[in-house]
Amino acid sequence: RKEVEQDPGPFNVPEGATVAFNCTYSNSASQSFFWYRQDCRKEPKLLMSVYSSGNEDGRFTAQLNRASQYISLLIRDSKLSDSATYLCVVLGGSARQLTFGSGTQLTVLP
Amino acid sequence: EPEVTQTPSHQVTQMGQEVILRCVPISNHLYFYWYRQILGQKVEFLVSFYNNEISEKSEIFDDQFSVERPDGSNFTLKIRSTKLEDSAMYFCASGGQGSNEQFFGPGTRLTVL
Repeated sequence: RKEVEQDPGPFNVPEGATVAFNCTYSNSASQSFFWYRQDCRKEPKLLMSVYSSGNEDGRFTAQLNRASQYISLLIRDSKLSDSATYLCVVLGGSARQLTFGSGTQLTVLP
Repeated sequence: EPEVTQTPSHQVTQMGQEVILRCVPISNHLYFYWYRQILGQKVEFLVSFYNNEISEKSEIFDDQFSVERPDGSNFTLKIRSTKLEDSAMYFCASGGQGSNEQFFGPGTRLTVL
């Protein structure tokens, strides 16, 4: 089983749509969870940390279910500038090593 | 806003040559990392560094790799004898005390011919 598994995508959605990404992780000792976005041939940029109670940052909402080892990201009212690859990232148990999923590509269409 | 910087942006080298990739982490950060991303693949952890020593390294980080913090601002990754399969984007990241968040530099694209 892959350590961090994401929807493969790609997702092509019209501007203004709501889109949801899902992710599962295999290491139950994982401590921290993040969503990063990565534009083509650029570095991963931290989008948001994911907290157990769920958290929202503007149009972005992240949820964590530790029992199911499941993380989600919801993007509301999507913009053209949201087009990117979204990376589900998990911090491992004993070290501050980030484990990345393969990413889900999103294209927002005009 | 403070950011991680990396040089060079692109390095081309011949197989068997040594390369040094340089990073300047965010100034008050204490944790430093190297990751790599082979084209079309996911980002992979190489090594973490704290308090002037390696905290953890992955299987990829073999004897050909080394890291150093030669002064108060730079953090370097050296590959002693490059192989074709070392061609990848190398990202440096740093993190502060009291937070698990890591911030990435723009990367160095290494091409081994």
